[in-house]
Amino acid sequence: DIQMTQSPSLLSASVGDRVTLSCKASQSIYNSLAWYQQKLGEAPKLLIYDANSLQTGIPSRFSGSGSGTDYTLTISSLQPEDVATYFCQKYYSGWTFGGGTKLELK
Amino acid sequence: QVQLKESGPGLVQPSQTLSLTCTVSGFSLMDYSVHWVRQPPGKGLEWMGRMKYDGDTYYNSALKSRLSISRDTSKSQVFLKMNSLQTEDTAIYYCTRDNYGGWFAYWGQGTLVTVSS
Repeated sequence: DIQMTQSPSLLSASVGDRVTLSCKASQSIYNSLAWYQQKLGEAPKLLIYDANSLQTGIPSRFSGSGSGTDYTLTISSLQPEDVATYFCQKYYSGWTFGGGTKLELK
Repeated sequence: QVQLKESGPGLVQPSQTLSLTCTVSGFSLMDYSVHWVRQPPGKGLEWMGRMKYDGDTYYNSALKSRLSISRDTSKSQVFLKMNSLQTEDTAIYYCTRDNYGGWFAYWGQGTLVTVSS
């Protein structure tokens, strides 16, 4: 089974910061990667699919990149409403989520 | 618009069977696949299994021996049954729609299931 590892597990940043979250697969997943944002008490919300495609309605400060085994979610200028936990998910050869990165304000 | 809603018992006794229903609207179960995902309190997301639009099922290997997913297309419902529940099965259970590519653009609100005597 392909494992998904996210880092860091906790990230503290200030409003306006450029924030980078990492997701690593145990083998190539050929860009079959999505990112989700989950706020406290809510269902996950799709942000990015196919590694770098922005879901409709998601602010352009969110972007995804990467290939092979290594992928990144970037928030270009952190806003207070971005405080949440972020999960990556692979959908190549089945579905698996990463363990999540909790993003908080410094 | 696309909607999914989970329903079922909030409390299940250890060793018993969990039965959940996902009722969908705004799309046909014969056009889109529906998945079940769960999340223990304060923890991460675990993919459980899929009901494909053609009726085929696919399960997480870690849960396969205990899990069954079925559907009633006439009622727009997908069902989850999982037996031999233990306290570690306490979680919020979500149903979600596959957008053909494999990502999940639509989610239900989730239903909390507590396993306790």
